[in-house]
Amino acid sequence: GAVVSQHPSWVICKSGTSVKIECRSLDFQATTMFWYRQFPKQSLMLMATSNEGSKATYEQGVEKDKFLINHASLTLSTLTVTSAHPEDSSFYICSAREASGGGNEQFFGPGTRLTVL
Amino acid sequence: AQTVTQSQPEMSVQEAETVTLSCTYDTSESDYYLFWYKQPPSRQMILVIRQEAYKQQNATENRFSVNFQKAAKSFSLKISDSQLGDAAMYFCAYRRGAAGNKLTFGGGTRVLVKP
Repeated sequence: GAVVSQHPSWVICKSGTSVKIECRSLDFQATTMFWYRQFPKQSLMLMATSNEGSKATYEQGVEKDKFLINHASLTLSTLTVTSAHPEDSSFYICSAREASGGGNEQFFGPGTRLTVL
Repeated sequence: AQTVTQSQPEMSVQEAETVTLSCTYDTSESDYYLFWYKQPPSRQMILVIRQEAYKQQNATENRFSVNFQKAAKSFSLKISDSQLGDAAMYFCAYRRGAAGNKLTFGGGTRVLVKP
């Protein structure tokens, strides 16, 4: 099956620093990637949708200048949390949709746990 | 906007028994898909089952089956012969039309399996 990886799996950073999270589709090309945020014991909240080669579409209430998304290739999307603060601590999950012939599925990465001190 | 509601925060089931998880959704679309995802303690999201709205037949995947009631906008998941490995959070999700559209998730139901 299609595999999506995320790196790092967990990261601890100091308040005010920036953190980059990578999402890679390992065995397929992803036209569209999605970034979600999940707080403890809560559901997944979509942050943004990114299409390869174009600007990401952010959900209402998500600060685009704080959560920078780049989808420069068909296998890689990155989420950069800029000037991170403790309230940004969360579990971040990406998913990817296959570019062609892949049916209707989104394939999820294993997630990245971010802790901001 | 589409909404997905899971009214059961937690369900408990005895091993080998059956448990049914509820999900209701709200949409004005006619072309959409519904999903059940499992999130075990590892937090890796796993697709359990998928239902296309245009299909009248309920989807089944081994021990997992759905009861799709389109008019009532209800999409319940039945887990038969529950196993310890079924213990997880289960999320119901909705997607409008084409595959590139976003998923909208319900709040989740935690399933506990008692040995």
